[in-house]
Amino acid sequence: QSALTQPPSASGSPGQSVTISCTGTSSDIGGYNYVSWYQQHPGKAPRLMIYEVNKRPSGVPVRFSGSKSANTASLTVSGLQAEDEADYYCSSSAGGIVVVFGGGTKLTVL
Amino acid sequence: EVQLFESGGGLVQPGGSLRLSCAASGFTFSNFAMSWVRQAPGEGLEWVSAISGSGDSIYYADSVKGRFTISRDRAKNTLHLELNSLRAEDTAVYYCARGATGAHYWGQGTLVTVSS
Repeated sequence: QSALTQPPSASGSPGQSVTISCTGTSSDIGGYNYVSWYQQHPGKAPRLMIYEVNKRPSGVPVRFSGSKSANTASLTVSGLQAEDEADYYCSSSAGGIVVVFGGGTKLTVL
Repeated sequence: EVQLFESGGGLVQPGGSLRLSCAASGFTFSNFAMSWVRQAPGEGLEWVSAISGSGDSIYYADSVKGRFTISRDRAKNTLHLELNSLRAEDTAVYYCARGATGAHYWGQGTLVTVSS
């Protein structure tokens, strides 16, 4: 149950695109199409932004998209907005309902 | 409307015990796996435990295995987490979530502080 690897920080200017990576192994990301991404603002509960690699829950802007290649997943935020500034966490199934999270990436909108 | 409400957190001494509860409403409780996820102060999210909709399948993170017990009461639509042999490093906000992989709904969290 090793944590997934995310960069600690990412940044971009309003209107730009930013991509956050999440690297795991063949036992988690590479083995299952159950990668999720969560957004968390300070003092708030996490919010699901992407599930099953590239699906968006109702209400999540189309600016958020997900992808996966081998053992690495990515979250892309296009057309950055000030309210996108938050912590982002990836997660993956590690078999059934066992889940592993990434360490989190702090996204700063410059 | 799906709602999850955690309770039971508080201050406990090292070696002590607590029982967390998560009251669920707005959906058919037995149809969904449920999870507990924690977040230590200033740290990231850590998956703690998950239980299948039927309750037949249960999993724990290595960090809590043998000390924490997850259960669900289908009659009361409530998820529980029994925390035993608590350590300082268990100090965190504990969230319950509907689902496991791709949790669409989360509670507001309950704070557990382990300190003497």
